[in-house]
Amino acid sequence: AQSVTQLDSHVSVSEGTPVLLRCNYSSSYSPSLFWYVQHPNKGLQLLLKYTSAATLVKGINGFEAEFKKSETSFHLTKPSAHMSDAAEYFCAVSDRVSSASKIIFGSGTRLSIRP
Amino acid sequence: EPEVTQTPSHQVTQMGQEVILRCVPISNHLYFYWYRQILGQKVEFLVSFYNNEISEKSEIFDDQFSVERPDGSNFTLKIRSTKLEDSAMYFCASSERTVSNQPQHFGDGTRLSIL
Repeated sequence: AQSVTQLDSHVSVSEGTPVLLRCNYSSSYSPSLFWYVQHPNKGLQLLLKYTSAATLVKGINGFEAEFKKSETSFHLTKPSAHMSDAAEYFCAVSDRVSSASKIIFGSGTRLSIRP
Repeated sequence: EPEVTQTPSHQVTQMGQEVILRCVPISNHLYFYWYRQILGQKVEFLVSFYNNEISEKSEIFDDQFSVERPDGSNFTLKIRSTKLEDSAMYFCASSERTVSNQPQHFGDGTRLSIL
């Protein structure tokens, strides 16, 4: 069975400081891992994905995530937060075995940016 | 950039009534999905659809739910007799290939309110 745990329900940082959103996963198979962002009243936008290539994945808007198999983690980072980064962030996992794999989402982390 | 579009953005329905949520996936995509997000909770998988049949469904997707691709462009979710607990945001998604190769692209969702 697959699952995702997002360790923080809410993270608040000052503008210009680093962002760290934590995610741990559990998967029976080689996982595909994703980070999605959801702005208010909008859908889920893909930030980045890991599908077995490089373990350090770069995404849009300056975000990146590192796949660490030994720690079963896929934490999302950004060197310098911007006010527009305020949103809900979801870590997600899918196995790479099924033909039309569902995505399992974490419970989300709300990121607030202080001026 | 091509988008997944969902209509309506907000649907209000009396309990016990049938409701149809509509989605237009990205035109060259072959895999289609519905997810839901109850207010304040995580995004949950409902069903995946490929080659005109359901590939996988969750335990949430009971006999009250059905999906259909009535023509070459639309993908619909029908709830036959709505309950109060069906109130949620419903997201449609599509992907060109399986999720191991291509991520799922999400629409902005339909907010379903059951009175």
